[in-house]
Amino acid sequence: QKEVEQNSGPLSVPEGAIASLNCTYSDRGSQSFFWYRQYSGKSPELIMFIYSNGDKEDGRFTAQLNKASQYVSLLIRDSQPSDSATYLCAVNGFIQGAQKLVFGQGTRLTINP
Amino acid sequence: NAGVTQTPKFRILKIGQSMTLQCAQDMNHNYMYWYRQDPGMGLKLIYYSVGAGITDKGEVPNGYNVSRSTTEDFPLRLELAAPSQTSVYFCASSYPDGRPMNTGELFFGEGSRLTVL
Repeated sequence: QKEVEQNSGPLSVPEGAIASLNCTYSDRGSQSFFWYRQYSGKSPELIMFIYSNGDKEDGRFTAQLNKASQYVSLLIRDSQPSDSATYLCAVNGFIQGAQKLVFGQGTRLTINP
Repeated sequence: NAGVTQTPKFRILKIGQSMTLQCAQDMNHNYMYWYRQDPGMGLKLIYYSVGAGITDKGEVPNGYNVSRSTTEDFPLRLELAAPSQTSVYFCASSYPDGRPMNTGELFFGEGSRLTVL
């Protein structure tokens, strides 16, 4: 089982609709969860982080965390064409005995005008 | 403020050649990282450093070496290039207090696209 799993997509959503991106993780000890956005040919940029169960809202973005189900999601309301990108879920985990960020493979999102 | 600067942006290598990817940051960050990203995949950690003189392996270190002689620079050395090392390489850094896990905010360079033929 991969440490962090995402549906690679592509996910196609009409403009103005809600885009829902999902991520599961395997390490129950993970404490911190992050969503990065990566435009094609560019480097990733952090858009949201969440530590506690429940929802966290920032503008059109809402991160949701359910530690019991080992599930984290990102909702994008009123989707815009500029939201078209790959969204990477990242979870803190242990690599070689040290705590590091582990990334999922990313979900490619396309917003259709 | 330049942030994290990587060179070169593009490079084609022949099998067996060696090269160094350069990375420099001007934010006085203690933590620095090298990731690789294969097409349609996420980021895999190659090596990281928590400060000058200290480096350690990540998930996929084989075929690579690093050094950290200064806070600013963190070069990645590829020895005996193989086609499996064809990838986009990202250098990143994080806050001076070394809390990448608390905020998860890594500052990335623009990437170096390497092709091994």
